[in-house]
Amino acid sequence: GENVEQHPSTLSVQEGDSAVIKCTYSDSASNYFPWYKQELGKGPQLIIDIRSNVGEKKDQRIAVTLNKTAKHFSLHITETQPEDSAVYFCAASKSGNTPLVFGKGTRLSVIA
Amino acid sequence: KAGVTQTPRYLIKTRGQQVTLSCSPISGHRSVSWYQQTPGQGLQFLFEYFSETQRNKGNFPGRFSGRQFSNSRSEMNVSTLELGDSALYLCASSARTNTEAFFGQGTRLTVV
Repeated sequence: GENVEQHPSTLSVQEGDSAVIKCTYSDSASNYFPWYKQELGKGPQLIIDIRSNVGEKKDQRIAVTLNKTAKHFSLHITETQPEDSAVYFCAASKSGNTPLVFGKGTRLSVIA
Repeated sequence: KAGVTQTPRYLIKTRGQQVTLSCSPISGHRSVSWYQQTPGQGLQFLFEYFSETQRNKGNFPGRFSGRQFSNSRSEMNVSTLELGDSALYLCASSARTNTEAFFGQGTRLTVV
């Protein structure tokens, strides 16, 4: 089955700097890649997603890139703010009613 | 539009007991997935229900079971609780698999 690896497990950045989180997946048939943000005491919140027919997607300060050949995708957060501090999860799934498979998460700390 | 609602938010149970958790999905969503979240293992897929049928099942023992009702509300049950079952149990709803999934706030289960 699908396996998703996520790096790094922890990341500290200065406020205003950029943060990059990377994930790799094993199943070349995977075609949907969402990213979730989980704040303390809350459930994961979908922040951005990308499908395999697109190489990059942006939404204000966040962007996701996908390299199908290398089977990896990345989350980029620019101009980080303290409220970006949270745990971020990547996930992958494919067509055919298969569930999302998650990476183990990255704890991002933005230092003011 | 109301989000995903999970009840109760917190539970404390004793080893050997059983527990039932509830999830009300977003109106119109027919797919409900359950995940177990622990610090060491991340989000582990338990099972998915779609239109009252279990469509996918993760690698968990038979003590973990679930069901879905005609109004798409779902319950999961854990019997003969073990200390290792202590975790945050998350429910996610989506219109169908391989599309945006929205999580509830989770039920924090503590087994003592």
